[in-house]
Amino acid sequence: DQQVKQNSPSLSVQEGRISILNCDYTNSMFDYFLWYKKYPAEGPTFLISISSIKDKNEDGRFTVFLNKSAKHLSLHIVPSQPGDSAVYFCDLGVHNYGQNFVFGPGTRLSVLP
Amino acid sequence: NAGVTQTPKFRILKIGQSMTLQCTQDMNHNYMYWYRQDPGMGLKLIYYSVGAGITDKGEVPNGYNVSRSTTEDFPLRLELAAPSQTSVYFCASSSRDRGNSPLHFGNGTRLTVT
Repeated sequence: DQQVKQNSPSLSVQEGRISILNCDYTNSMFDYFLWYKKYPAEGPTFLISISSIKDKNEDGRFTVFLNKSAKHLSLHIVPSQPGDSAVYFCDLGVHNYGQNFVFGPGTRLSVLP
Repeated sequence: NAGVTQTPKFRILKIGQSMTLQCTQDMNHNYMYWYRQDPGMGLKLIYYSVGAGITDKGEVPNGYNVSRSTTEDFPLRLELAAPSQTSVYFCASSSRDRGNSPLHFGNGTRLTVT
């Protein structure tokens, strides 16, 4: 039973266009949501986060949207750049309720020049 | 500033052998974690520590052991390697608990058990 799904294993986008990565979850207790980016042969690096009291958080080219009623999280990258080509993981958990957050399986983004 | 350092980068073990994956961080973080990543899957938490001398099980602890004698080091021990432990292992640290700060990861150890 997967609590967190990233239904697109891969995504290709043209440079300069918008990339939209999606993450769906089943546990309505989740209230803290993060995105990580991972390059080959490296560890994941933190990108952006959002708590359930917000529905949007922006950091430069990266914006995370949260739709609590739909249990849906998305990451928008605008404009996409070739250096954004990586695997993106969503990571979800409950604030102040232990360390066992749940990672999605990841989406591989390829930004084509 | 090295961040989180893992050694070795690669290792091949025979079934039944033992090994220790090393992890050290220089950010003075209290929280440290071990994850494994299998192909097509998200990272799964093996063990974590909230400070020196304190460790606790994560989602998939069977077949592993940890210790935390210092703030900096958090080694992961495999006692009797099994093919199911073939995976990429990531160590991570954070300044506060998971609900209040993101993770800083090492670059991983790729382990193959044959």
